[in-house]
Amino acid sequence: AIQMTQSPSSLSASVGDRVSITCRASQGIRNDLAWYQQKPGKAPKLLIYSASSLHSGVPSRFSGSGSGTDFTLTISSLQPEDFATYFCLQEYNYPWTFGQGTKVEIK
Amino acid sequence: EVQLVEFGGGLVKPGGSLRLSCAASGFTFNTYSMNWVRQAPGQGLEWVSAISSTSRYIYYADSVKGRFTISRDNDKNSLYLQMNSLRAEDTAMYYCARYLVTPPDFWGQGTLVTDSS
Repeated sequence: AIQMTQSPSSLSASVGDRVSITCRASQGIRNDLAWYQQKPGKAPKLLIYSASSLHSGVPSRFSGSGSGTDFTLTISSLQPEDFATYFCLQEYNYPWTFGQGTKVEIK
Repeated sequence: EVQLVEFGGGLVKPGGSLRLSCAASGFTFNTYSMNWVRQAPGQGLEWVSAISSTSRYIYYADSVKGRFTISRDNDKNSLYLQMNSLRAEDTAMYYCARYLVTPPDFWGQGTLVTDSS
């Protein structure tokens, strides 16, 4: 199974900060990578698919980049509602695998 | 409005069985592949199983292969997960999620399976 290594596991940031989260795949996955946001007690929400495509209704401050093995989720200006946990998902092949998650906390 | 509602979770003893259901509405269920994804308390997400729109293709995580069975009934707009030989490590919130072209874009709110030991 493809392993997804996500970093950092947590970070503290202030409103307005630029934040980046990375995922590295153990083998090439083309651009078959998605990013999700999850808040406590809620289901995950899709933010980015195909590594860099913004899902409908997602604010433009979220962006994704990368291809092959290295991927990045960037939040250009952190807003109060963005404090949450973020996961990457490779859907290149089965079994699909998630990164371990990054908890974004208020500084 | 798209809705996915999971039910069937509960307390179960190790070695026991449970059948989860996911009721879909607000979209054309029989055109979507469906997935089960779980999340142990305080932990990350783990993909469990997937089934194609016609049930032709089915996939499982190694951790559940041989113990869990995914199925669907397109006439009833429903997805199922039969879980047998349950273990303590199967304790988790179980989510169903739909998948078409993009990765799962809509998830239910989950149903909790808890080890009663």
